Amino acid sequence: EAEVAQSPRYKITEKSQAVAFWCDPISGHATLYWYRQILGQGPELLVQFQDESVVDDSQLPKDRFSAERLKGVDSTLKIQPAELGDSAMYLCASSHLGNEQFFGPGTRLTVL
Amino acid sequence: AQKITQTQPGMFVQEKEAVTLDCTYDTSDPSYGLFWYKQPSSGEMIFLIYQGSYDQQNATEGRYSLNFQKARKSANLVISASQLGDSAMYFCAMRLPPNFGNEKLTFGTGTRLTIIP
Repeated sequence: EAEVAQSPRYKITEKSQAVAFWCDPISGHATLYWYRQILGQGPELLVQFQDESVVDDSQLPKDRFSAERLKGVDSTLKIQPAELGDSAMYLCASSHLGNEQFFGPGTRLTVL
Repeated sequence: AQKITQTQPGMFVQEKEAVTLDCTYDTSDPSYGLFWYKQPSSGEMIFLIYQGSYDQQNATEGRYSLNFQKARKSANLVISASQLGDSAMYFCAMRLPPNFGNEKLTFGTGTRLTIIP
């Protein structure tokens, strides 16, 4: 069964360092989402891609976060510099033609 | 703006009993979609069930059913014959609009369900 792949699964970093997360959506899924889930809360959308174009990045802290999906397939989310408040689960999801979103296993980030 | 409310932070249920997880939503848009996801301790979000605002019948998927009461703006998840493997966080989510375009999901704060043997 096709799955959304994410790496790494866990990342520990010190504040002010740079971190990057990778996501490979289900083949054929044109829409890709990055969500952030703070402990005890539901996920919140950071950025949505349609193919290689950004559809919604209104909640992305653009001073330190960046996201790209250069060829419209896999995607990278970067944080530079990381802050203590960035500790969270980062979830990637993909969907086809507006149907249900399929989520990857997530990357659990701890900033020390 | 749309909002999802889950008022049960945690629930304990005896194995094999049915359980209802509450979800209310707020939107002025007549067209929307409602979702339930399960999140085990491993972290991934597992899609369970979907209900469109114009669907005439309540959605069902195996042991999962959605009690959709449009006038009350509620979309409760019912799990029949609960199993130990049902222990997880459960999130209700809403999507506006339900068609191709900006399909951002807005999630509630979740309910932690624990099944007791």
